[in-house]
Amino acid sequence: KQEVTQIPAALSVPEGENLVLNCSFTDSAIYNLQWFRQDPGKGLTSLLLIQSSQREQTSGRLNASLDKSSGRSTLYIAASQPGDSATYLCAVCVRGSTLGRLYFGRGTQLTVWP
Amino acid sequence: ETGVTQSPTHLIKTRGQQVTLRCSSQSGHNTVSWYQQALGQGPQFIFQYYREEENGRGNFPPRFSGLQFPNYSSELNVNALELDDSALYLCASSLEGAQDTQYFGPGTRLTVL
Repeated sequence: KQEVTQIPAALSVPEGENLVLNCSFTDSAIYNLQWFRQDPGKGLTSLLLIQSSQREQTSGRLNASLDKSSGRSTLYIAASQPGDSATYLCAVCVRGSTLGRLYFGRGTQLTVWP
Repeated sequence: ETGVTQSPTHLIKTRGQQVTLRCSSQSGHNTVSWYQQALGQGPQFIFQYYREEENGRGNFPPRFSGLQFPNYSSELNVNALELDDSALYLCASSLEGAQDTQYFGPGTRLTVL
């Protein structure tokens, strides 16, 4: 069974810092890995999707890397802003399971203060 | 904007009651998955429907059931509600042949008293 772990569980930083959020997964047979953002009480916003054949994806100040063999992904946020405050979820889509089924971590709750 | 809508936004029920949650997807999205997200947890897979048939289920009891309709809408039904069913319920849809890319709705917040 796929287990997804996210570290740290919570992070509080001043504006302007560069951040690293970590995600690890136990089964490396994945189709892809996705990072989501979730604002309090809201649904999920997809940030970056990395296919299993890729090593990284970038969107603006966000960069996500994937090391499938070691079961790790990192989300890097450059020059953090108060508007980045949210919970960040990592999810993997696993081969051999119901196609499209996502296994989520518990998230990293990020607070960026001015 | 994902094009996936859910109703209602919030719902309060009492223990033992039944509830129906609804999801409307974009045209052509014939796969829909439902997730339960308890407070402070990541979403957990309930089940998936493909072309109106259940196509996989997570570790949820039979009192969680679903329906998918030809117009790309779907329902999640929960019978005999328990306090632990209080959660945010998310639906996610995807296109034929692209099930590894899912579009999430905003969720329904269910509170069971």
